[in-house]
Amino acid sequence: LAKTTQPISMDSYEGQEVNITCSHNNIATNDYITWYQQFPSQGPRFIIQGYKTKVTNEVASLFIPADRKSSTLSLPRVSLSDTAVYYCLVGDGNYGQNFVFGPGTRLSVLP
Amino acid sequence: NAGVTQTPKFQVLKTGQSMTLQCAQDMNHNSMYWYRQDPGMGLRLIYYSASEGTTDKGEVPNGYNVSRLNKREFSLRLESAAPSQTSVYFCASSAAGLPNQPQHFGDGTRLSIL
Repeated sequence: LAKTTQPISMDSYEGQEVNITCSHNNIATNDYITWYQQFPSQGPRFIIQGYKTKVTNEVASLFIPADRKSSTLSLPRVSLSDTAVYYCLVGDGNYGQNFVFGPGTRLSVLP
Repeated sequence: NAGVTQTPKFQVLKTGQSMTLQCAQDMNHNSMYWYRQDPGMGLRLIYYSASEGTTDKGEVPNGYNVSRLNKREFSLRLESAAPSQTSVYFCASSAAGLPNQPQHFGDGTRLSIL
């Protein structure tokens, strides 16, 4: 399983862009990179997924360099409601058993 | 637009009691999963069901059993609850047949074992 490393916590202010980087040095050829968001008392929610280069949706962007050994989740102009834990997962998605949720990054958005 | 529904939302048990956590999804997903989440930690996979009629162990299966009742429902049973099983339990589902289908999670069952 590809192990991931991300910062334990980050602080930001409303309106700023937040970038959370995840390291996955032993990512395999078939592995995708997936990010989830979890609010207190709720289950994780899928944010974005990518394999290489850049992926953008209405919520976030995901930047993946050519060597794929890291990835960066970018949240544009965060608000207080973006305060949550963000998980980076790496795996080939084989029925989910290869996905490992680490402790994630606890993002606190301040007014 | 229910998605994944878990029942109950809260439960307190005494050591040695048994309990079944229920999970149902209405998205016609083939794959379903059970995770536990301990304070300050990520989720750990207990069991999963790739498709109706199949179940497999995840990272932490000891002390648990599962049943894939039909395509919609996947239950988790604690036969003899132990304090170490105090946790928040999440059920999830995903489409199958394509790689890396996102998992959709329920809001969890908070289980305390005294």
